[in-house]
Amino acid sequence: GQSLEQPSEVTAVEGAIVQINCTYQTSGFYGLSWYQQHDGGAPTFLSYNGLDGLEETGRFSSFLSRSDSYGYLLLQELQMKDSASYFCAVGSWGGKLIFGQGTELSVKP
Amino acid sequence: NAGVTQTPKFQVLKTGQSMTLQCAQDMNHEYMSWYRQDPGMGLRLIHYSVGAGITDQGEVPNGYNVSRSTTEDFPLRLLSAAPSQTSVYFCASSSDRVPGNEQFFGPGTRLTVL
Repeated sequence: GQSLEQPSEVTAVEGAIVQINCTYQTSGFYGLSWYQQHDGGAPTFLSYNGLDGLEETGRFSSFLSRSDSYGYLLLQELQMKDSASYFCAVGSWGGKLIFGQGTELSVKP
Repeated sequence: NAGVTQTPKFQVLKTGQSMTLQCAQDMNHEYMSWYRQDPGMGLRLIHYSVGAGITDQGEVPNGYNVSRSTTEDFPLRLLSAAPSQTSVYFCASSSDRVPGNEQFFGPGTRLTVL
């Protein structure tokens, strides 16, 4: 089977940096993805790590360590609009994606 | 391009009724999936398809049927609705041709079963 663990909620202030961790147990692992979801909306893709290391996309970075079955999403220069739920997901063949339960990020002024 | 479309946006059913949630994509993606999301929870994979004529079960397939007769369409059928199926349903598509196998989600169908 597959399972993912991430914190249920994180609070940070505007302008700060926050890290959301994700640990996973899975078979047939292709990579670790991160998605953002605002209240009532559809999830949107943020980042993907197929190999170990850091991927950077603007204010967002994501890291993967396959040997540790661990990854994280790093959000810098937090803005109020970053308040949302963030999901890590493990991918396998055929576009199959299994999601974690999500981390609700609250950004305070 | 419309991307991934889902109909209806909202639906109320009575226990025991059946219905089909529609999903279509116009990006020629080979992979399509159905998820359900309950309040405060992540997305759970119901069924997925790797191409026309090929489907497989996800994490929570019971009570749902799917078929994939064309690349574009991937309907989800509830055979006999139960209150436990009250949820938001998202359809998604992806492709090996897209970097990171990014999944593109539809806007969701909000289903209530009374």
